[in-house]
Amino acid sequence: DAGITQSPRYKITETGRQVTLMCHQTWSHSYMFWYRQDLGHGLRLIYYSAAADITDKGEVPDGYVVSRSKTENFPLTLESATRSQTSVYFCASRLSSVGPYEQYFGPGTRLTVT
Amino acid sequence: GENVEQHPSTLSVQEGDSAVIKCTYSDSASNYFPWYKQELGKGPQLIIDIRSNVGEKKDQRIAVTLNKTAKHFSLHITETQPEDSAVYFCAALMNRDDKIIFGKGTRLHILP
Repeated sequence: DAGITQSPRYKITETGRQVTLMCHQTWSHSYMFWYRQDLGHGLRLIYYSAAADITDKGEVPDGYVVSRSKTENFPLTLESATRSQTSVYFCASRLSSVGPYEQYFGPGTRLTVT
Repeated sequence: GENVEQHPSTLSVQEGDSAVIKCTYSDSASNYFPWYKQELGKGPQLIIDIRSNVGEKKDQRIAVTLNKTAKHFSLHITETQPEDSAVYFCAALMNRDDKIIFGKGTRLHILP
């Protein structure tokens, strides 16, 4: 049971470049989420998706783009990376909106923008 | 806006003693409150959760209590061990838009 995986685990990119972080889950969960984790801010929601082709903004969506053409994948794209987007990014998934509500996280991607 | 506040931000306890982390939430319609443990270099891991229809839930050395009237909930860890050292996050499900909102975390240090 692979669960939820993220790739790459580490990424260094330059300011202005486009970078895509991948998230894949094997549970057929309806909901998927992207969070960023920064010291002093905890986990902040970037975007989420309730199902394939349905996405919505979270708390800090600016500078990010998401898509969800398949239930199992939820890529996050930084169209033009900035230093302020240096962070650890976590993908998460949850079965549905009516329960069970347990939400599971991937191992994270550490992104550095130089 | 909707938020979850968590205290303290750092907590040090002697091995074998108890640790308590407290959280408050703003959305009175919230009905699900999970707690996560995050070890260094790993993703947050769900350790216990509670629904709004119960006031307390226990799982071995950890327990969570919920006071819906006061809109606060707490994590209790008894007989702390070195492996309990980690960052703990509380969270609440916001029913309006199905999002889980997290507190800012508590770094727990277990002192030998």
